[in-house]
Amino acid sequence: KNEVEQSPQNLTAQEGEFITINCSYSVGISALHWLQQHPGGGIVSLFMLSSGKKKHGRLIATINIQEKHSSLHITASHPRDSAVYICAVRSGNNNDMRFGAGTRLTVKP
Amino acid sequence: DTGVSQDPRHKITKRGQNVTFRCDPISEHNRLYWYRQTLGQGPEFLTYFQNEAQLEKSRLLSDRFSAERPKGSFSTLEIQRTEQGDSAMYLCASSDTKLGRQGRSNEQFFGPGTRLTVL
Repeated sequence: KNEVEQSPQNLTAQEGEFITINCSYSVGISALHWLQQHPGGGIVSLFMLSSGKKKHGRLIATINIQEKHSSLHITASHPRDSAVYICAVRSGNNNDMRFGAGTRLTVKP
Repeated sequence: DTGVSQDPRHKITKRGQNVTFRCDPISEHNRLYWYRQTLGQGPEFLTYFQNEAQLEKSRLLSDRFSAERPKGSFSTLEIQRTEQGDSAMYLCASSDTKLGRQGRSNEQFFGPGTRLTVL
């Protein structure tokens, strides 16, 4: 079983829909990252959080440390949001990150 | 552009050849990480440097792989005697572990990756 599990694997939505991507992890963590990867491979860090909730524009990330669960929400989704969204955790004193397999989001106009 | 850069962006090679990739981190970032990502999977950690010291290596990093960061700035990742299973995207990231940067200490910034295809 992977240390970081994401769901769903694939998600197709209509423009304007509210999107939720989930991430569960099984290790103790010091931080959780949500990353966005566009075709071609470039990765952009969206959020780094260790508790609570963060908001940036139409993106909201939440984390529940007790339940070892995080969610990424996209409000008023747009075709340009189409990408792979990856959850990654950094655990304790380890300096490497463990990644989920990613959620491929396609937003149709 | 002051982000992480990687060179080349794409590399096609024949099995058995050696390849070398370069990563230029964000200036003054003291940590540099290498990851490998195969199709449909999330990235996997390979190794990381704190300044010029290589502090951690994944068991994924076989003897054919070597990474250096001689002056604590750019890094190279070399794969010797490439195999078809080495085909992947190789990602580099850098971070700044100095405290007091608005709580974003150790956030990793990723480069565009080098896509390796071994024929």
